Amino acid sequence: NAGVTQTPKFQVLKTGQSMTLQCAQDMNHNSMYWYRQDPGMGLRLIYYSASEGTTDKGEVPNGYNVSRLNKREFSLRLESAAPSQTSVYFCASSETQAREKLFFGSGTQLSVL
Amino acid sequence: AQSVAQPEDQVNVAEGNPLTVKCTYSVSGNPYLFWYVQYPNRGLQFLLKYITGDNLVKGSYGFEAEFNKSQTSFHLKKPSALVSDSALYFCAVTKGGGSARQLTFGSGTQLTVLP
Repeated sequence: NAGVTQTPKFQVLKTGQSMTLQCAQDMNHNSMYWYRQDPGMGLRLIYYSASEGTTDKGEVPNGYNVSRLNKREFSLRLESAAPSQTSVYFCASSETQAREKLFFGSGTQLSVL
Repeated sequence: AQSVAQPEDQVNVAEGNPLTVKCTYSVSGNPYLFWYVQYPNRGLQFLLKYITGDNLVKGSYGFEAEFNKSQTSFHLKKPSALVSDSALYFCAVTKGGGSARQLTFGSGTQLTVLP
């Protein structure tokens, strides 16, 4: 039972480069999320997808785009990476948007030089 | 705006002793409250939640949390700490009836249980 799978686990980019973080869940969840985790700041929501075919901005969406490819997959794209995007990124899913608990992937540590 | 405060960045406790990780919140109306734990190089894992009902909530791995409305607190507790409890703990809140996308996370408390 894999749960939420994120790739890659580590990535180093140069300023201006682009990349896509991949996320897939095998729990048949409707809702998926992308968070970033910075030291001393907890988790901040970048984008979410309440259900297949929908995406919406979270607290810190600037510099990011997302695609809900199907019910299982939700990708996060950095079009032109900046040092301020150095962070640990977590994908999460929940059965619905209601007061459900979140299931998290193991994270992607991204460094932008 | 809703917010969560975890006043201690670091908590150290000896193995076998009781542990408390503190959390206070601010939200309009009744809160939904959560605790998550993050082990090294892992994603967050759900521990427990308070939605309504009994103020003492029991969760995974022997943890419990007490909801105190008058003090707007939701402290995480365990009667006897284990070395394996060492991890980063996050409190989160959303307003009653709110959705998962509206969760606000605290900044985290690093718990170290000393053998």
